[in-house]
Amino acid sequence: SYELTQPPSVSVSPGQTASITCSGDKLGDKYVCWYQQKPGQSPVLVIYQDSKRPSGIPERFSGSNSGNTATLTISGTQAMDEADYYCQAWDSSTALFGTGTKVTVL
Amino acid sequence: EVQLVESGGGLVQPGRSLRLSCAASGFTFDDYAMHWVRQAPGKGLEWVSGISWNSGSIGYADSVKGRFTISRDNAKNSLYLQMNSLRADDTALYYCTKRQGGRYGDYADNWFDPWGQGTLVTVSS
Repeated sequence: SYELTQPPSVSVSPGQTASITCSGDKLGDKYVCWYQQKPGQSPVLVIYQDSKRPSGIPERFSGSNSGNTATLTISGTQAMDEADYYCQAWDSSTALFGTGTKVTVL
Repeated sequence: EVQLVESGGGLVQPGRSLRLSCAASGFTFDDYAMHWVRQAPGKGLEWVSGISWNSGSIGYADSVKGRFTISRDNAKNSLYLQMNSLRADDTALYYCTKRQGGRYGDYADNWFDPWGQGTLVTVSS
């Protein structure tokens, strides 16, 4: 079965850039979206169709997808960006989520 | 404003049944596919099931296939999840979410936005 793999954790200093990867076989052939989930809250969409930002999502969030890896990049990371992040894609009419990455802003 | 409000969760014994509901408002409910996604305590997100705008297309995760049934009532702007033969590993927060990125069509593809606050299902004796 198809799997999406993410690093369990990423640490970043305030103002620096955080990169979160999502790996899957030929993932670049699929659309990827990303969700942010803060403790005790529901997931929030931050990127869809690989690189598009919904209205209300800050410009510091960006995405890319090529080959076997999709990447969510947070530029100028702020303390409020500390959260769990999940990638998501579709395979054979099944929605798949990545394993999740905890972003810690030190 | 789009709102999704789940209800129906609770404590249930293994092997028993439970029915979840999701009340939708703020958008034309019968134009969009809807989904259930769950999250076990301390774990990641897992897609459970999706249903197209007219119930003509339905899908399930392998982990719930044959035990769970998704349905919708467009007249009541409501989404449902009938859960039978519940197991301990079904314990999770169940979210209702809207398929975004276009009206009508299949339940699959595109993205989920927004999400409800979730309803907690605990399966334990």
